[in-house]
Amino acid sequence: LAKTTQPISMDSYEGQEVNITCSHNNIATNDYITWYQQFPSQGPRFIIQGYKTKVTNEVASLFIPADRKSSTLSLPRVSLSDTAVYYCLVGDWAAGNKLTFGGGTRVLVKP
Amino acid sequence: DGGITQSPKYLFRKEGQNVTLSCEQNLNHDAMYWYRQDPGQGLRLIYYSQIVNDFQKGDIAEGYSVSREKKESFPLTVTSAQKNPTAFYLCASSINGGREGNIQYFGAGTRLSVL
Repeated sequence: LAKTTQPISMDSYEGQEVNITCSHNNIATNDYITWYQQFPSQGPRFIIQGYKTKVTNEVASLFIPADRKSSTLSLPRVSLSDTAVYYCLVGDWAAGNKLTFGGGTRVLVKP
Repeated sequence: DGGITQSPKYLFRKEGQNVTLSCEQNLNHDAMYWYRQDPGQGLRLIYYSQIVNDFQKGDIAEGYSVSREKKESFPLTVTSAQKNPTAFYLCASSINGGREGNIQYFGAGTRLSVL
């Protein structure tokens, strides 16, 4: 079961880019990297998923180096509404490697 | 509207009482999950089911029970054996297998408190 390490918290300002790096040194060959966002008193919401290289969608980008031992979630031009907890998960349910939620990174966007 | 519905939103349990949290999904997903979240913490897996009539213990199953008699429904019972049940409970579902099997869709949660 791959363990992930993320910063506990980060502060940013509106309009800036926020980059959250997640370390997963023992990632397995079949594992995917999946990021979720959670607002207080709500269920987590899927943001983005990748396996290698770079993935981009309308919300974020995910950068994964060749060794896959880390990944970086990039949130472009954040707004106050991006204040949330962001979780990095690594695993593959189909391979029996359950994804586990760690403590996440609390991102505070200031005006 | 497709999604996952959890009820009730708030629930109070008396000492020694069993309570059941409801989770229904109309996403046609095979897999369903129950998580517990304590204040300021991440989510911990209680039980999961990858197909009807089958379920597996997660990391913190003691004091909880589940059933999966229908594809759409995965109720969680918090038994009297769970001595510290106060928490936020989240239900999720996903397709079973493949890359997208790792993307879970969550309900709005049930907040359980002990009277």
